Amino acid sequence: GAVVSQHPSRVICKSGTSVKIECRSLDFQATTMFWYRQFPKQSLMLMATSNEGSKATYEQGVEKDKFLINHASLTLSTLTVTSAHPEDSSFYICSASTGSPYSEQYFGPGTRLTVT
Amino acid sequence: DQQVKQNSPSLSVQEGRISILNCDYTNSMFDYFLWYKKYPAEGPTFLISISSIKDKNEDGRFTVFLNKSAKHLSLHIVPSQPGDSAVYFCAASTNTGNQFYFGTGTSLTVIP
Repeated sequence: GAVVSQHPSRVICKSGTSVKIECRSLDFQATTMFWYRQFPKQSLMLMATSNEGSKATYEQGVEKDKFLINHASLTLSTLTVTSAHPEDSSFYICSASTGSPYSEQYFGPGTRLTVT
Repeated sequence: DQQVKQNSPSLSVQEGRISILNCDYTNSMFDYFLWYKKYPAEGPTFLISISSIKDKNEDGRFTVFLNKSAKHLSLHIVPSQPGDSAVYFCAASTNTGNQFYFGTGTSLTVIP
């Protein structure tokens, strides 16, 4: 099946710094990428949807100035957590799809962010 | 508002028996449904899907049933194996886009 990678898999940063997470589709062109956040024992929370070459669409309650999303190519999307705080510590997962109707989402392995 | 609901947060089943995971939805426009399996600290992986033109789809030990009138779907795993222990998410989509709405997940534990 399609492969989506995320880098890094784990990151620890100090409060106030910024962290960039990369999401890559390795063997297909992802016209649409999604960023999720998972809290312990809760469902995936959709943060934003990004289409290649256009601005991301953020879900209600997600600060677009804090969670910067860039989808500059058909194989790469980045999520930058700016001025990170301990409450941003979470598991961040991206997924990618070809954008065709009913196309499945292929999930990345996730990135564990810990802000100290 | 949660459009896709999994009302059982956890389920324990003996190895070899059937596991039944349930999912309810509220949006009658949903016409494509998927189940994902997720191990701790990993991203969810696609398991099985069903479109609204069907009421059953089977893939090996996994079968998904769809009851459109009740807005209910279920995932059956038989026989259950310890390696099936994971969190299972159901997801739904409409034909207007490719965004999926996820349930809150059910944690399945298969006891050896």
